[in-house]
Amino acid sequence: EPEVTQTPSHQVTQMGQEVILRCVPISNHLYFYWYRQILGQKVEFLVSFYNNEISEKSEIFDDQFSVERPDGSNFTLKIRSTKLEDSAMYFCAIGQNSYEQYFGPGTRLTVT
Amino acid sequence: QKEVEQDPGPLSVPEGAIVSLNCTYSNSAFQYFMWYRQYSRKGPELLMYTYSSGNKEDGRFTAQVDKSSKYISLFIRDSQPSDSATYLCAMKGTGFQKLVFGTGTRLLVSP
Repeated sequence: EPEVTQTPSHQVTQMGQEVILRCVPISNHLYFYWYRQILGQKVEFLVSFYNNEISEKSEIFDDQFSVERPDGSNFTLKIRSTKLEDSAMYFCAIGQNSYEQYFGPGTRLTVT
Repeated sequence: QKEVEQDPGPLSVPEGAIVSLNCTYSNSAFQYFMWYRQYSRKGPELLMYTYSSGNKEDGRFTAQVDKSSKYISLFIRDSQPSDSATYLCAMKGTGFQKLVFGTGTRLLVSP
């Protein structure tokens, strides 16, 4: 099973601040994803990234969000101006195809 | 109607029991069906995936898909206390990358 790490494990930020969540796949993969899980709710898709561009995104993924692979290995999710409702676990997922998605341990984002 | 429905549980069983976990869905375009296991405050772990209808077995786990009924199942044989976790079903359509998850069923296996 592919390995992926995420940093930080927990991020506390104030409303209106920008946060960057990082995902580091241990091996090469073609597909990269971000999902989030609000406490007590289901896992929700945010965005997929393939061939260095966004290939699919949900209605949650609005202009406040952006993704990039700045150095070809890290995969980042940026939230420009955080809101209280952005508090959630954010999971990075990777895969060689779109039907085997392997999730990282997650970053818990707390917006105060 | 929710796109994917899953009983949240908890489902409590004694060690050694056969566990049946289920999801129903409404979108007939779904072709890939996955089961994930999630321990508290951890990331989902892919257990197995199935394409279209049929059965798939992996060790103590068997996944079944009945597309005519829009119903999928995961069976766990000889359940162990270490199987205690939340089990998430997820699915997607061909040509899409987005996984649509159920809310998860919490399973408790007592020794």
